[in-house]
Amino acid sequence: GIQVEQSPPDLILQEGANSTLRCNFSDSVNNLQWFHQNPWGQLINLFYIPSGTKQNGRLSATTVATERYSLLYISSSQTTDSGVYFCAVHMTTDSWGKLQFGAGTQVVVTP
Amino acid sequence: SAVISQKPSRDICQRGTSLTIQCQVDSQVTMMFWYRQQPGQSLTLIATANQGSEATYESGFVIDKFPISRPNLTFSTLTVSNMSPEDSSIYLCSGDSHSYNEQFFGPGTRLTVL
Repeated sequence: GIQVEQSPPDLILQEGANSTLRCNFSDSVNNLQWFHQNPWGQLINLFYIPSGTKQNGRLSATTVATERYSLLYISSSQTTDSGVYFCAVHMTTDSWGKLQFGAGTQVVVTP
Repeated sequence: SAVISQKPSRDICQRGTSLTIQCQVDSQVTMMFWYRQQPGQSLTLIATANQGSEATYESGFVIDKFPISRPNLTFSTLTVSNMSPEDSSIYLCSGDSHSYNEQFFGPGTRLTVL
């Protein structure tokens, strides 16, 4: 099956810092999503971005489908940005929309 | 976007018992999915539930252990049967209106088995 690799596995930031999270995938995809899982376990949709660039406030994401990677940018980080960030992809060869998740990046933002 | 609710939000159960988790979507969705997240791990797909047909299970998951129902386009249940402490996880359901659309997740059910 498709491999989804996220880096770095852990990230510690001081409040106000910027960071970039990366997601590499091994096969063609129809769909790529970024999620934030908060400390209570809730999975929050950040971006639906099979290709191109999107921005939402302090967060932005870029997916280069031809090169099989996506980047999530966090600017001016806040303590509420702490949690685990997951990248998940839907393979073109799957007709049902199943998502394959990466292992996640654990982000801790310190005051 | 779809709004998904799950019940219960958490439970503590004794080994050997079963728990049924309910997932309700506020709009009709074609496919619903059930995922498991073991402590400190990522999400793993258990099965895909299509209305009116038997669920399709991923490798390592079987119907006897995780029976699923999908009686209509807005509701599904997952039962965790004959539980052991290894079943302690967060169970999440998701859905989308089309196989290529954005998926939305319920808040999860946090299960602890003693």
